[in-house]
Amino acid sequence: QLQLQESGPGLVKPSETLSLTCTVSGDPISSTNFYWGWIRQPPGKGLEWIGTFYYSGSTYYNPSLKSRVTISENTSKNQFSLSLSSVTAADTAVYYCARHLYVASRHIDSWGQGTLVTVTS
Amino acid sequence: QPVLTQSSSASASLGSSVKLTCTLNGGHTSYTIAWHQQPPGKAPRSLMKVEGSGNYDRGSGVPDRFSGSSSGADRYLTISNLQSEDEGDYYCETWDSESWVFGGGTKLTVL
Repeated sequence: QLQLQESGPGLVKPSETLSLTCTVSGDPISSTNFYWGWIRQPPGKGLEWIGTFYYSGSTYYNPSLKSRVTISENTSKNQFSLSLSSVTAADTAVYYCARHLYVASRHIDSWGQGTLVTVTS
Repeated sequence: QPVLTQSSSASASLGSSVKLTCTLNGGHTSYTIAWHQQPPGKAPRSLMKVEGSGNYDRGSGVPDRFSGSSSGADRYLTISNLQSEDEGDYYCETWDSESWVFGGGTKLTVL
């Protein structure tokens, strides 16, 4: 059964870089059947797509965050990571990693439990 | 880029049915969308995809009380025999070749 688990610091200082890791069990992130992505949700607000990658080397980012975001993968550990630079209070959110389908659809079919990151000095 | 519009709130009585709507913007009215349920304080859960044809495909373990349909630019999620655990936020999602987007979400209250 697929499991996605986010991990990383819960507090980040303004102007610094937020770094999170998603550990996947139950499916290899090198699978050609899925995309893998990050989504966030500020407190009391809706979901915002951050970025998604496909193992072939294609990575896609939300244009509003593209200049600050990098998604990378570590297939030996079956993990993928999010890096968001120059954070401000507006980046305070619960961050989710997720799996998207690749064949016949592109929607998210599995979510991690999420991790709260607070940007504060 | 596609844009999804949802009503901010909906309510219905325990045991009744409710139909939530997600509307696609012009130029994207044939797109497939997906519905996600987010109980209060919890992570989202994928419910189903709904195609422009009206065909829908529930995710694994999703009760058959949840169904989908379409009409033009609108994609619907119908929940029958409402239960208290159905209360929460419902989001629709769609995508194009290089991006994904969510609707603003509908808060469902079970009376």
